[in-house]
Amino acid sequence: DIQMTQSPSSMSASVGDRVIITCQASQGINNWLAWYQQKPGKAPKLMIYAASILQSGVPSRFSGSGSGTDFTLTISSLQPEDFATYYCQQATSFPLTFGGGTKVEIK
Amino acid sequence: QVQLVESGGGVVQPGGSLRLSCAASGFTFNHYAMHWVRQAPGKGLEWVAFIRSDGSNTDYVDAVKGRFSISRDNSKNTLSLQMNSLRAEDTAVYYCVQDSAPGYFDYWGQGTLVTVS
Repeated sequence: DIQMTQSPSSMSASVGDRVIITCQASQGINNWLAWYQQKPGKAPKLMIYAASILQSGVPSRFSGSGSGTDFTLTISSLQPEDFATYYCQQATSFPLTFGGGTKVEIK
Repeated sequence: QVQLVESGGGVVQPGGSLRLSCAASGFTFNHYAMHWVRQAPGKGLEWVAFIRSDGSNTDYVDAVKGRFSISRDNSKNTLSLQMNSLRAEDTAVYYCVQDSAPGYFDYWGQGTLVTVS
């Protein structure tokens, strides 16, 4: 199975901050990676797929990069509605696996 | 618009069974693979099961193999998850999810809570 490791597991940030979340795969997954945002009590929302393609309707302050085993999700200027938990997920092979999540909290 | 509505969750004793259903609308159901993804209380996301658009292929996370069975009825736009021999560690919110591109989870239902206790 491919293990996905996210860091940090939680972070505190202020509105306007640049936020970077990393995700590492235990083996190469090319660019078969997605990022999801989840707010409390809600279903996750697909934000980015194929490592860097923004899902329709996702603000341009979100971006993704990486290939192989190392990936990043960047929020260029954190907005109040961005406080949430973010998950990466590999889509290259079954079982499909998620990272442990990164909770972005208000500083 | 795409709608996925899960039902069938509830409280069940260890060793018991439960059948989850997901009613799909707003898209051509038989064109899309589907998944179940779960989330234990306060924990992260775990993919549970996959079924191809025509039902010809399925796959499961090891933790549920031999106990859970995913199926679909394309004539009724319905996805199901039969869960047998339930354990405490199966307690979670179960989401019905559309596969919009191989392996990516685009549209999610609101989830249904399964409690094994």
